Amino acid sequence: QKEVEQNSGPLSVPEGAIASLNCTYSDRGSQSFFWYRQYSGKSPELIMSIYSNGDKEDGRFTAQLNKASQYVSLLIRDSQPSDSATYLCAVNQRGNQFYFGTGTSLTVIP
Amino acid sequence: NAGVTQTPKFRILKIGQSMTLQCTQDMNHNYMYWYRQDPGMGLKLIYYSVGAGITDKGEVPNGYNVSRSTTEDFPLRLELAAPSQTSVYFCASTDKSSGNTIYFGEGSWLTVV
Repeated sequence: QKEVEQNSGPLSVPEGAIASLNCTYSDRGSQSFFWYRQYSGKSPELIMSIYSNGDKEDGRFTAQLNKASQYVSLLIRDSQPSDSATYLCAVNQRGNQFYFGTGTSLTVIP
Repeated sequence: NAGVTQTPKFRILKIGQSMTLQCTQDMNHNYMYWYRQDPGMGLKLIYYSVGAGITDKGEVPNGYNVSRSTTEDFPLRLELAAPSQTSVYFCASTDKSSGNTIYFGEGSWLTVV
């Protein structure tokens, strides 16, 4: 069983729609959860971090965490073509071990 | 506002050659990591360090070595390069002071021919 699993996609949404990205993790001791965006040929950049159950909003981005279900998601509202990228889910476990999902490729169609 | 700096950005190696990828961070982070990312794939941890003088293997350490003589620097050494080591390499760092957020360097593209 992989530590972090994501739907690889690709996911396509029209401009202005809501994009929903999902991630599950295996270790109940996981402490911190992150979403990174990675453009082709670039390094991952942090979009959102979330540490407790519930929702966390930052502009057009909302991260949702459900520790009981071991599930974390990212919603992108009013999707823009510039949001087209690969989104990586990352989970921080004990001892500052980070595990990354394989990423979900998102394409926003103008 | 340098953050994590990696060099070189691009390199072509011949099979059997050796080289060192340099990584330095100016955020005084204790934790540093080396990942590789193959095309269309996720990040795989090669080695990590929790502080100067302490290193440990990650998921895919074979063919690599690291050292951590200072807090700032975490070089990755490739010995006897093989085509399977063709990849993009990312150095990263984090600490509690940054909310355990992991920050990445810009990457080093390595091709072994």
